[in-house]
Amino acid sequence: EAEVAQSPRYKITEKSQAVAFWCDPISGHATLYWYRQILGQGPELLVQFQDESVVDDSQLPKDRFSAERLKGVDSTLKIQPAELGDSAMYLCASSSQDDTIHGYTFGSGTRLTVV
Amino acid sequence: SQQGEEDPQALSIQEGENATMNCSYKTSINNLQWYRQNSGRGLVHLILIRSNEREKHSGRLRVTLDTSKKSSSLLITASRAADTASYFCATDGYDYKLSFGAGTTVTVRA
Repeated sequence: EAEVAQSPRYKITEKSQAVAFWCDPISGHATLYWYRQILGQGPELLVQFQDESVVDDSQLPKDRFSAERLKGVDSTLKIQPAELGDSAMYLCASSSQDDTIHGYTFGSGTRLTVV
Repeated sequence: SQQGEEDPQALSIQEGENATMNCSYKTSINNLQWYRQNSGRGLVHLILIRSNEREKHSGRLRVTLDTSKKSSSLLITASRAADTASYFCATDGYDYKLSFGAGTTVTVRA
C-alpha cells in the first residue's frame, strides 16, 4: 500500500538551531499538507501545497518557518531558529482530487524536541 | 483554531464493549471525517460522511451526522485491544481544508 514517507522520525535540537523535515507524498498526489500537532491536541494546518504552489500558509509562522515543494513532488519544512515552543509532532499528508471522498493519507510524522 | 470538539476527552472500556464518542463543530461543513492515531504515529483515515448523509457504516464503525445540531458520533462496536488509540473528527468546508478537533483517547482493557 502506498505511503507518505517522512524523515527523520525523531529530531532533538537545541533552541536557536535550524532544523528541517522532509516529506515524500504518495506518487501522483498533487496536494501536500504540513500539520503541527502539539501533545494532547489535534493537528493544525501549517501549509498546503497544490503541486509546487502554496495554497494556504496563513498559519505558518513565517518569521521562522519556511516550506517548499520545488518540483511539485517532495517537500521540506524548515524552522530557523527553533524555539522551545516548537516541540511537537510534524505531520505531512497528501491527497488527490478523489480524496475529498477517501480522506488524506498521513505519514508517520517527525517528533521534534527542542531543548 | 480548531473547528471540532470531541467528547469525552478520554474513554476506558472493557474489550467487547462498544465505544461511543461525539464531535461538535461550529460552521457549515462539506464533509466530516474520522481519523485514528496510535500513540506517536500518524493519522489513519477511518470514514468520511458527507453533509447530505445521516449515517454511514464501515466494518465495526458506525458514524452519524446531524447537521442541524452540528454534531457527529462515532461508534466502535465489539471493541478490541487494537482499538486503543486517539480518535479525531475533522471537518472541511467548501475550501476542502481539514480542521481537526482535540481528539478522544480510547483505552480498551483486556
